[in-house]
Amino acid sequence: GAGVSQSPRYKVAKRGQDVALRCDPISGHVSLFWYQQALGQGPEFLTYFQNEAQLDKSGLPSDRFFAERPEGSVSTLKIQRTQQEDSAVYLCASSYRPGGGEKLFFGSGTQLSVL
Amino acid sequence: GENVEQHPSTLSVQEGDSAVIKCTYSDSASNYFPWYKQELGKRPQLIIDIRSNVGEKKDQRIAVTLNKTAKHFSLHITETQPEDSAVYFCAATDGANAGKSTFGDGTTLTVKP
Repeated sequence: GAGVSQSPRYKVAKRGQDVALRCDPISGHVSLFWYQQALGQGPEFLTYFQNEAQLDKSGLPSDRFFAERPEGSVSTLKIQRTQQEDSAVYLCASSYRPGGGEKLFFGSGTQLSVL
Repeated sequence: GENVEQHPSTLSVQEGDSAVIKCTYSDSASNYFPWYKQELGKRPQLIIDIRSNVGEKKDQRIAVTLNKTAKHFSLHITETQPEDSAVYFCAATDGANAGKSTFGDGTTLTVKP
């Protein structure tokens, strides 16, 4: 497929469980972003990778959130000890060039529900 | 940091009418302003964008205007169709800051046939 792929599409977790969300960006895209989208709101920035380097993680809400992109392609967002307030759609987006000012291609997101 | 405000939050128009959505931003360093359309349960998709060195851009029924001095930009959709119904998000991006985009809270557009 040519688009950004995210898995799982839906995830239900019990409070306190750890979860891992996967993003497979478009091949060759240098930049990768994670966003959190709460119901009825716009996406909120979490973190940014340029290839394998995590250049900005200022949006991660707490140290329970961790993201990696070890080989500069697939990325994983991990949330430890999930809380109810973590319930949201987690969107991954990629773009061809480093830095900003370029069209973002979004994945379909992972809808996380923490019970 | 950047703050983007978007109005209105909901907009209902008759098919064939025009729709206008407005956004303001706070950071004068922002230089790229995309608009995304998100249908229910689907991914956001770029519909049009504008850079800070341009005042207006048009693509068929869609146009975007930018006023850098006032720090606001607007989306204009003419001859609306039912398939235009969706949530529209504006964003402001600082190209020098790793391209982090700050999004508005969205406008739910309903086009009544």
